[in-house]
Amino acid sequence: NAGVTQTPKFQVLKTGQSMTLQCAQDMNHNSMYWYRQDPGMGLRLIYYSASEGTTDKGEVPNGYNVSRLNKREFSLRLESAAPSQTSVYFCASREGRAPKPQHFGDGTRLSIL
Amino acid sequence: SQQGEEDPQALSIQEGENATMNCSYKTSINNLQWYRQNSGRGLVHLILIRSNEREKHSGRLRVTLDTSKKSSSLLITASRAADTASYFCATDEDTNAGKSTFGDGTTLTVKP
Repeated sequence: NAGVTQTPKFQVLKTGQSMTLQCAQDMNHNSMYWYRQDPGMGLRLIYYSASEGTTDKGEVPNGYNVSRLNKREFSLRLESAAPSQTSVYFCASREGRAPKPQHFGDGTRLSIL
Repeated sequence: SQQGEEDPQALSIQEGENATMNCSYKTSINNLQWYRQNSGRGLVHLILIRSNEREKHSGRLRVTLDTSKKSSSLLITASRAADTASYFCATDEDTNAGKSTFGDGTTLTVKP
């Protein structure tokens, strides 16, 4: 049982380039989340999806777009990468709503030069 | 701004000692959860405490919650080198998506 799988694990981009971070979960969870984690800090919510077909903004959505492709997959897109978006990006999923725990992938380490 | 703030930011202890981490939050909550993050990995859920609970135990973990002070503590007893990690508290909103707000974490180092 893989849980939450994120690809790629590492990526280096130039300013202005675009890319999509992929996330897939095999636990049949309804809710999925994208977070960013900057050095020495906690997680900040970028976007979330309460169910297939719905997405909503989190705390720091500017510069990002998301797609809930189906129940398993939730992708995060950077249309025009900026150095301020250098971070570690985590995808998580949850069965239903709180207080069910969130399950996390191991992250994508993204550097933008 | 972060809902949860952990204290201390970093903690270094010897194996066998107890480690206590604190979390303060700003608004009313339904639940508070603690997660652990090993270096280079994602977060792993440790324990949940509901707003109507004052204390909860799980193995060597003890969590307390004081809603009047808007604070929680995580105690790890008889620490081991393998407990070296960052620990985060997360507060839950009562919405359909169940958004959680994470604190900045406490980095625990347990020296063998």
